[in-house]
Order: sequence, then structure tokens, then C-alpha cells
Amino acid sequence: KAGVTQTPRYLIKTRGQQVTLSCSPISGHRSVSWYQQTPGQGLQFLFEYFSETQRNKGNFPGRFSGRQFSNSRSEMNVSTLELGDSALYLCASSLEQGGQPQHFGDGTRLSIL
Amino acid sequence: ELKVEQNPLFLSMQEGKNYTIYCNYSTTSDRLYWYRQDPGKSLESLFVLLSNGAVKQEGRLMASLDTKARLSTLHITAAVHDLSATYFCAVCHSGAGSYQLTFGKGTKLSVIP
Repeated sequence: KAGVTQTPRYLIKTRGQQVTLSCSPISGHRSVSWYQQTPGQGLQFLFEYFSETQRNKGNFPGRFSGRQFSNSRSEMNVSTLELGDSALYLCASSLEQGGQPQHFGDGTRLSIL
Repeated sequence: ELKVEQNPLFLSMQEGKNYTIYCNYSTTSDRLYWYRQDPGKSLESLFVLLSNGAVKQEGRLMASLDTKARLSTLHITAAVHDLSATYFCAVCHSGAGSYQLTFGKGTKLSVIP
């Protein structure tokens, strides 16, 4: 059974650009969450999607957005990139909303120059 | 706002020794997770603790949960080098159709031969 797949693995952007990251959950998993990991702030919750609906959102500015498709795949978008957006972005999926442990992908490492 | 505190943040221990990592959280929660992260890798689920008094063991690691004290512990028995990694606890809070994990800062464990 394939795990959570995130693409791309690495990305380099410059300030002001926008970026879209993709996440394919484990087959059958309907809940997808996104997290930002930085050395200073640690792991911070971005948002959670279930059945194409955003159910919860963390304390991030509106530049951070996401969506989920009918096949449960999810994308997150960051517009007007800032240096502080450099981070590892992790996607996690679980079988159902509020269900058993979230399974994490390998992440997308985003570097802003 | 839910706060999760782990201590210690850094732990250097000799092989064969025992030690405990602590995870305190500020509000009541449905469940608590422990994850492991190796450098440059994603998060691997270790334990899910669902109720007061829950104890789970896997190899040299044992996790417990005291919901009244809002405390979880991860005990390491007779440490070996392969256990070197960063360990995170994460507290789940769900409600009103949402589901969110709040992570501790992580404990970086180095096991020295």
C-alpha cells in the first residue's frame, strides 16, 4: 500500500512568488492535514480537509490556502512568498476525520531566496 | 489555546541507560500521539494513547498517559544507538467537525556508545 506522497520534494523560490504543493493521501484516507516545520517554531498546524471541505485552520495568514479534491488529493498554495516561509511542509492523512494516527509524507522542503 | 510542553528538549544518554521524556499539555484532549523523526525524514507514528492510564510498549519504548495530570511519558529502556532521533508528542483536540494536532517542540535524543 503506497504511503502519503508529496510533490515536489524540494523547491526553491524567490520572494513575492507563489507556490503550490501537492499531497496524495494513502488510498482510502479521507482526512488530509498540512503542517509547517521550522527549526524555530517546530511543527505547526496549517489546515485540515475532509471530504473536500476545510474543517480547521491554524494561525497562519491568508496567503496560505489549500483545497482538497474529490479523490482526497490535496494541494496547498502560498502566495507572495516571504523569507520566513522557508520550511518543511508536511502532509498527513488518516482514515477518517479525527481518526487514528496521521500518516505523514516525506514533505516538501521549500527554500525562499 | 492548547499548549504542549516537552522536556527535555535535548537528551544525550549512554547506551544501556534508561530515561524518560515528559509531555505536558494544557487542556483536556481526546488522545495523544508519539512520533519519531530521523534527520531529513518524515514523522513515524510510534504510539496512540486513547484513555487515562493507557500504556503502550514497543521494544525499548514505553508510553503512558495520565489525563488527570495532563501528562504523558515516553520511557526508554536500555537505550541503543538506533534510538537516536527526535521524538515528538502531539495532542489531539477535536470538536465541531474539526481535528487538529498540536505538537511539542520535540526531544532530540542522542544515544552514545
